[in-house]
Amino acid sequence: GAGVSQSPSNKVTEKGKDVELRCDPISGHTALYWYRQSLGQGLEFLIYFQGNSAPDKSGLPSDRFSAERTGGSVSTLTIQRTQQEDSAVYLCASSSYSGANVLTFGAGSRLTVL
Amino acid sequence: EDKVVQSPLSLVVHEGDTVTLNCSYEVTNFRSLLWYKQEKKAPTFLFMLTSSGIEKKSGRLSSILDKKELFSILNITATQTGDSAVYLCAVLYFGNEKLTFGTGTRLTIIP
Repeated sequence: GAGVSQSPSNKVTEKGKDVELRCDPISGHTALYWYRQSLGQGLEFLIYFQGNSAPDKSGLPSDRFSAERTGGSVSTLTIQRTQQEDSAVYLCASSSYSGANVLTFGAGSRLTVL
Repeated sequence: EDKVVQSPLSLVVHEGDTVTLNCSYEVTNFRSLLWYKQEKKAPTFLFMLTSSGIEKKSGRLSSILDKKELFSILNITATQTGDSAVYLCAVLYFGNEKLTFGTGTRLTIIP
């Protein structure tokens, strides 16, 4: 597609449930990032995928968070046993890894944990 | 831990005013600094700065980097209500492929 596509755009779930957030990057972009933005806060890095290299998971806040990227394209961020503090907007971005690292962001998935 | 600090946190001005937004960063392994504008959802790219003293300009927006004093400014002249947004500064460090973001400056333009 022309841009980074994320789904769902909004997700309301109950505490303790698992959620999956999907990101479809720009075609041909080899690098994919997940960030989290809590209310009134900046963007917090979660995980980075580059081609077939092992992902940089250094930003994942707990072992309840995981992400995978299948076939070097679509990525899924999974949050298990959601907690209220997980409520945030989850932003996905991709780049062509030309060395410039200009990320193109999706519109985000707003997660609300009740 | 790499830090990016933006100021002010919020700013309210009247349409037509000029504003200056600030971003300071830590020096270790600095590679480049980027500015993004976030209105409702997706941040959109404005500028990338790598070299000191070279102004980047796009319409009423301009930005410059000072690698000696470790900061960048984003200027917006003749502000319009459409400039109301959160402006995010992010830094890329060598040896680390993730962008480190500041908390942003929320700019509100009053008609």
